[in-house]
Amino acid sequence: AQSVTQPDIHITVSEGASLELRCNYSYGATPYLFWYVQSPGQGLQLLLKYFSGDTLVQGIKGFEAEFKRSQSSFNLRKPSVHWSDAAEYFCAVGRGGSGYNKLIFGAGTRLAVHP
Amino acid sequence: ETGVTQTPRHLVMGMTNKKSLKCEQHLGHNAMYWYKQSAKKPLELMFVYSLEERVENNSVPSRFSPECPNSSHLFLHLHTLQPEDSALYLCASSQVFESSTDTQYFGPGTRLTVL
Repeated sequence: AQSVTQPDIHITVSEGASLELRCNYSYGATPYLFWYVQSPGQGLQLLLKYFSGDTLVQGIKGFEAEFKRSQSSFNLRKPSVHWSDAAEYFCAVGRGGSGYNKLIFGAGTRLAVHP
Repeated sequence: ETGVTQTPRHLVMGMTNKKSLKCEQHLGHNAMYWYKQSAKKPLELMFVYSLEERVENNSVPSRFSPECPNSSHLFLHLHTLQPEDSALYLCASSQVFESSTDTQYFGPGTRLTVL
């Protein structure tokens, strides 16, 4: 069965520091992978996605993620964090196949940014 | 209006009330989704409509009743809810293709409190 694990529930970084949020997935076929961000009281905003091709994916707000098939990982990175990046981040894997892309979400990582 | 909108943003209701949540997408998509986001739980897919036909009902109690009158509008009718139904209800939409490489875009959510 598909599953997504985000090992870190909370992460705190200093403003200007680099960031890496971990995501591991379990899926038998080629996965479709997504990162979403949720600010308090808001819906989910798509940061980036991977379907195929280049394994390093660029997203909005200066984020990038790298798909590593051998490690079943899709970690999210940002070289320099801004205070406005404080939010909750969700990794998701899509089933693909026929019909709509059914998403399985991880439990999320809450990011706090210290000034 | 752009993207996916949801009304109301906040709703407080008693267990014997009947209310409805509304979602509208302005993206020209052909699939719409309802998700439930509870504290300390991953996002749970509730219902999926593709081309106005319900294609997924994830064992959701009958006190939740979805309606999709056209591809732009989605409703969630609520009746005799329980306090444990208090959560953030998120609507999403996507453009479904045969290859299922669709990407879901989310609304801001309705924060529901059941007293």
